Amino acid sequence: GNSVTQMEGPVTLSEEAFLTINCTYTATGYPSLFWYVQYPGEGLQLLLKATKADDKGSNKGFEATYRKETTSFHLEKGSVQVSDSAVYFCALIRNTGGFKTIFGAGTRLFVKA
Amino acid sequence: GAVVSQHPSRVICKSGTSVKIECRSLDFQATTMFWYRQFPKQSLMLMATSNEGSKATYEQGVEKDKFLINHASLTLSTLTVTSAHPEDSSFYICSAPRTGEETQYFGPGTRLLVL
Repeated sequence: GNSVTQMEGPVTLSEEAFLTINCTYTATGYPSLFWYVQYPGEGLQLLLKATKADDKGSNKGFEATYRKETTSFHLEKGSVQVSDSAVYFCALIRNTGGFKTIFGAGTRLFVKA
Repeated sequence: GAVVSQHPSRVICKSGTSVKIECRSLDFQATTMFWYRQFPKQSLMLMATSNEGSKATYEQGVEKDKFLINHASLTLSTLTVTSAHPEDSSFYICSAPRTGEETQYFGPGTRLLVL
Protein backbone atom coordinates (compact mmCIF):
# COMPACT_ATOMS: atom_id res chain seq x y z
CA GLY A 1 0.00 0.00 0.00
CA ASN A 2 0.89 3.66 0.08
CA SER A 3 2.78 4.97 3.08
CA VAL A 4 5.15 7.69 4.22
CA THR A 5 7.89 7.24 6.81
CA GLN A 6 9.62 10.16 8.48
CA MET A 7 12.47 10.32 10.91
CA GLU A 8 11.30 10.52 14.47
CA GLY A 9 11.67 13.72 16.38
CA PRO A 10 12.03 15.89 18.10
CA VAL A 11 14.96 17.42 16.30
CA THR A 12 16.73 20.14 18.28
CA LEU A 13 19.15 22.45 16.52
CA SER A 14 20.91 25.69 17.21
CA GLU A 15 20.19 28.69 15.04
CA GLU A 16 22.06 28.64 11.71
CA ALA A 17 22.57 24.87 11.84
CA PHE A 18 21.94 22.64 8.84
CA LEU A 19 18.67 20.75 8.83
CA THR A 20 17.81 17.41 7.29
CA ILE A 21 14.53 15.62 7.91
CA ASN A 22 14.41 12.26 6.19
CA CYS A 23 11.31 11.05 4.39
CA THR A 24 10.81 7.86 2.41
CA TYR A 25 7.68 6.63 0.75
CA THR A 26 6.03 3.53 -0.59
CA ALA A 27 3.57 3.98 -3.41
CA THR A 28 2.26 2.41 -6.55
CA GLY A 29 2.89 4.44 -9.63
CA TYR A 30 4.24 7.95 -9.44
CA PRO A 31 2.82 9.97 -6.56
CA SER A 32 3.27 13.68 -6.01
CA LEU A 33 5.24 14.49 -2.88
CA PHE A 34 4.77 17.33 -0.41
CA TRP A 35 6.17 18.86 2.72
CA TYR A 36 3.72 20.65 4.99
CA VAL A 37 4.56 22.73 8.06
CA GLN A 38 2.37 23.18 11.13
CA TYR A 39 3.15 26.01 13.51
CA PRO A 40 1.88 25.74 17.10
CA GLY A 41 -1.89 25.93 17.31
CA GLU A 42 -2.36 26.28 13.58
CA GLY A 43 -3.39 24.16 10.62
CA LEU A 44 -1.04 22.86 7.96
CA GLN A 45 0.59 25.03 5.35
CA LEU A 46 2.13 23.77 2.15
CA LEU A 47 5.89 24.29 2.30
CA LEU A 48 6.97 22.76 -1.00
CA LYS A 49 6.13 20.04 -3.45
CA ALA A 50 7.48 17.96 -6.34
CA THR A 51 5.37 16.16 -8.86
CA LYS A 52 7.84 13.95 -10.72
CA ALA A 53 11.19 12.26 -10.34
CA ASP A 54 14.23 14.54 -10.01
CA ASP A 55 12.03 17.58 -9.41
CA LYS A 56 13.28 19.86 -6.66
CA GLY A 57 10.76 21.75 -4.59
CA SER A 58 11.94 24.84 -2.74
CA ASN A 59 10.48 27.58 -0.57
CA LYS A 60 11.71 29.86 2.23
CA GLY A 61 15.18 28.34 2.08
CA PHE A 62 13.87 24.78 2.37
CA GLU A 63 14.30 22.30 -0.44
CA ALA A 64 13.62 18.67 -1.21
CA THR A 65 14.36 16.53 -4.25
CA TYR A 66 12.09 13.75 -5.49
CA ARG A 67 14.36 10.69 -5.68
CA LYS A 68 12.60 7.82 -7.37
CA GLU A 69 15.56 5.45 -7.11
CA THR A 70 15.65 5.74 -3.32
CA THR A 71 11.94 6.58 -2.92
CA SER A 72 12.93 9.56 -0.82
CA PHE A 73 12.02 13.22 -0.42
CA HIS A 74 14.31 14.52 2.31
CA LEU A 75 13.79 18.08 3.54
CA GLU A 76 16.86 20.29 3.92
CA LYS A 77 17.68 23.83 4.94
CA GLY A 78 21.12 25.28 5.10
CA SER A 79 20.63 27.62 8.05
CA VAL A 80 17.63 27.29 10.34
CA GLN A 81 16.07 30.09 12.34
CA VAL A 82 14.14 30.08 15.59
CA SER A 83 11.03 30.88 13.57
CA ASP A 84 11.39 27.53 11.76
CA SER A 85 10.40 25.71 14.95
CA ALA A 86 7.32 23.73 13.96
CA VAL A 87 6.15 20.26 13.01
CA TYR A 88 6.99 19.15 9.49
CA PHE A 89 4.91 16.55 7.65
CA CYS A 90 5.98 14.66 4.57
CA ALA A 91 3.05 13.56 2.43
CA LEU A 92 2.06 12.02 -0.85
CA ILE A 93 -1.02 12.13 -2.98
CA ARG A 94 -2.00 8.81 -4.40
CA ASN A 95 -2.19 8.80 -8.13
CA THR A 96 -5.18 6.52 -8.18
CA GLY A 97 -7.55 9.42 -8.44
CA GLY A 98 -8.80 12.11 -6.11
CA PHE A 99 -6.76 14.11 -3.66
CA LYS A 100 -6.45 11.77 -0.71
CA THR A 101 -3.24 12.62 1.02
CA ILE A 102 -1.12 10.15 2.98
CA PHE A 103 0.83 11.87 5.75
CA GLY A 104 3.93 10.83 7.59
CA ALA A 105 3.89 10.95 11.37
CA GLY A 106 5.44 14.40 11.49
CA THR A 107 8.78 15.59 12.84
CA ARG A 108 8.91 18.28 15.47
CA LEU A 109 11.75 20.76 15.07
CA PHE A 110 13.02 22.98 17.87
CA VAL A 111 15.51 25.68 16.98
CA LYS A 112 17.38 27.33 19.85
CA ALA A 113 18.73 30.85 19.70
CA GLY B 1 -3.33 32.07 -2.10
CA ALA B 2 -6.48 30.10 -1.48
CA VAL B 3 -8.01 30.43 1.96
CA VAL B 4 -9.96 27.91 3.97
CA SER B 5 -11.52 28.93 7.25
CA GLN B 6 -12.93 26.93 10.14
CA HIS B 7 -15.34 27.91 12.86
CA PRO B 8 -15.11 27.75 15.76
CA SER B 9 -11.38 27.68 16.40
CA ARG B 10 -11.92 26.01 19.74
CA VAL B 11 -14.90 24.66 21.59
CA ILE B 12 -15.48 23.16 25.00
CA CYS B 13 -18.63 21.16 25.52
CA LYS B 14 -20.22 18.78 27.99
CA SER B 15 -20.32 15.07 27.37
CA GLY B 16 -23.44 14.05 25.48
CA THR B 17 -23.89 17.25 23.55
CA SER B 18 -23.39 17.73 19.82
CA VAL B 19 -20.89 20.09 18.27
CA LYS B 20 -20.90 21.49 14.75
CA ILE B 21 -17.71 22.57 13.02
CA GLU B 22 -17.84 24.59 9.82
CA CYS B 23 -15.29 24.58 7.02
CA ARG B 24 -15.48 27.24 4.34
CA SER B 25 -13.47 27.86 1.21
CA LEU B 26 -13.36 31.63 1.09
CA ASP B 27 -12.15 32.41 -2.39
CA PHE B 28 -12.78 29.28 -4.42
CA GLN B 29 -15.40 26.62 -4.87
CA ALA B 30 -14.74 23.16 -3.55
CA THR B 31 -16.81 20.21 -4.64
CA THR B 32 -14.71 18.05 -2.33
CA MET B 33 -13.46 18.74 1.16
CA PHE B 34 -11.61 16.49 3.56
CA TRP B 35 -11.94 16.14 7.31
CA TYR B 36 -8.96 15.07 9.39
CA ARG B 37 -8.44 14.36 13.04
CA GLN B 38 -5.15 14.95 14.76
CA PHE B 39 -4.25 13.63 18.19
CA PRO B 40 -1.55 15.38 20.22
CA LYS B 41 1.88 14.94 18.70
CA GLN B 42 0.52 12.64 16.01
CA SER B 43 -0.14 12.86 12.33
CA LEU B 44 -3.38 13.65 10.62
CA MET B 45 -5.87 10.86 10.19
CA LEU B 46 -8.28 11.20 7.31
CA MET B 47 -11.81 10.74 8.62
CA ALA B 48 -13.96 11.33 5.58
CA THR B 49 -14.30 12.95 2.20
CA SER B 50 -17.13 15.45 1.93
CA ASN B 51 -18.80 15.65 -1.47
CA GLU B 52 -21.05 18.52 -2.48
CA GLY B 53 -24.49 17.24 -3.34
CA SER B 54 -23.90 13.66 -2.29
CA LYS B 55 -23.07 11.55 0.73
CA ALA B 56 -19.72 11.73 2.39
CA THR B 57 -17.27 8.89 2.05
CA TYR B 58 -15.96 7.67 5.38
CA GLU B 59 -12.65 5.98 6.04
CA GLN B 60 -12.61 2.57 7.59
CA GLY B 61 -13.26 2.64 11.29
CA VAL B 62 -14.92 6.07 11.34
CA GLU B 63 -18.49 6.01 12.61
CA LYS B 64 -20.67 7.83 10.13
CA ASP B 65 -23.52 8.19 12.61
CA LYS B 66 -21.23 9.84 15.11
CA PHE B 67 -19.45 12.16 12.72
CA LEU B 68 -22.12 13.64 10.49
CA ILE B 69 -20.88 15.46 7.44
CA ASN B 70 -22.94 17.78 5.28
CA HIS B 71 -21.57 19.53 2.21
CA ALA B 72 -24.32 22.09 1.82
CA SER B 73 -22.79 24.25 -0.88
CA LEU B 74 -19.69 24.61 -2.99
CA THR B 75 -18.03 26.63 -0.23
CA LEU B 76 -19.26 25.01 2.98
CA SER B 77 -18.88 21.64 4.63
CA THR B 78 -19.89 20.90 8.21
CA LEU B 79 -18.81 18.19 10.60
CA THR B 80 -21.11 17.47 13.51
CA VAL B 81 -19.80 15.39 16.37
CA THR B 82 -22.92 13.87 17.85
CA SER B 83 -23.22 12.88 21.49
CA ALA B 84 -19.65 13.88 22.11
CA HIS B 85 -17.57 12.05 24.68
CA PRO B 86 -14.17 12.88 26.18
CA GLU B 87 -12.44 10.51 23.77
CA ASP B 88 -13.68 12.69 20.91
CA SER B 89 -11.50 15.52 22.20
CA SER B 90 -9.06 16.26 19.42
CA PHE B 91 -7.90 18.75 16.82
CA TYR B 92 -10.13 18.61 13.72
CA ILE B 93 -8.79 19.99 10.46
CA CYS B 94 -10.51 20.37 7.12
CA SER B 95 -8.96 20.85 3.73
CA ALA B 96 -10.05 21.48 0.19
CA PRO B 97 -8.36 21.11 -3.18
CA ARG B 98 -8.84 23.85 -5.74
CA THR B 99 -9.62 22.86 -9.31
CA GLY B 100 -6.49 22.57 -11.39
CA GLU B 101 -4.17 22.35 -8.41
CA GLU B 102 -2.92 19.15 -6.88
CA THR B 103 -2.28 20.43 -3.40
CA GLN B 104 -4.86 20.95 -0.71
CA TYR B 105 -5.56 24.08 1.30
CA PHE B 106 -5.98 23.47 4.98
CA GLY B 107 -8.14 25.24 7.49
CA PRO B 108 -6.56 26.43 10.75
CA GLY B 109 -8.20 23.63 12.70
CA THR B 110 -10.76 23.38 15.50
CA ARG B 111 -9.75 22.20 18.92
CA LEU B 112 -12.54 20.28 20.61
CA LEU B 113 -12.50 19.52 24.32
CA VAL B 114 -15.28 17.38 25.71
CA LEU B 115 -15.64 17.44 29.47
